[in-house]
Amino acid sequence: NAGVTQTPKFRVLKTGQSMTLLCAQDMNHEYMYWYRQDPGMGLRLIHYSVGEGTTAKGEVPDGYNVSRLKKQNFLLGLESAAPSQTSVYFCASSPPQVGTGELFFGEGSRLTVL
Amino acid sequence: LAKTTQPISMDSYEGQEVNITCSHNNIATNDYITWYQQFPSQGPRFIIQGYKTKVTNEVASLFIPADRKSSTLSLPRVSLSDTAVYYCLVGDGKRDDKIIFGKGTRLHILP
Repeated sequence: NAGVTQTPKFRVLKTGQSMTLLCAQDMNHEYMYWYRQDPGMGLRLIHYSVGEGTTAKGEVPDGYNVSRLKKQNFLLGLESAAPSQTSVYFCASSPPQVGTGELFFGEGSRLTVL
Repeated sequence: LAKTTQPISMDSYEGQEVNITCSHNNIATNDYITWYQQFPSQGPRFIIQGYKTKVTNEVASLFIPADRKSSTLSLPRVSLSDTAVYYCLVGDGKRDDKIIFGKGTRLHILP
């Protein structure tokens, strides 16, 4: 049982390049999330999805796009990468539950934009 | 969204009990309180969740006073491996509920 898998784990981009981070979960969870974490900072919510075909903005959505075409996958896209997007990106998933409940996180994707 | 406030950092020693308090003055009636732990280079991991009074599991205890405006995560007899960042979250789990982590409390356990 893989849980939440993020691809790629490491990537270096040049300013202006585009890329897509893939998050895949095999737990049949309804909800999925993308966070970014900068050194010494907590996690900041970029976008999230409460079901297949739906997405919503989080705290810091600018510069990112997302898609949830299949229930098990949540894609995070950077159309024109900027150095300010250098960060570690975490994907998480969860079933509907009371409270914020238990989110299951991936191992993270470290992105560097030069 | 109920905002949470936690100490930025704490130090303790091995074998001690550690209490981390979180303030959430505008918590809503349907909100639960959830705590996560994050080790370096890893995603956060769920520790415990509660609504009122006291909740205990094999890892920690969560104390919530009657007014629910704060909560305390208690870690019994900590070890060096408990060095991590601890996040307090508040939310009701509704579909449109943004799950906000904040900056958390950086706990450093000393030998």
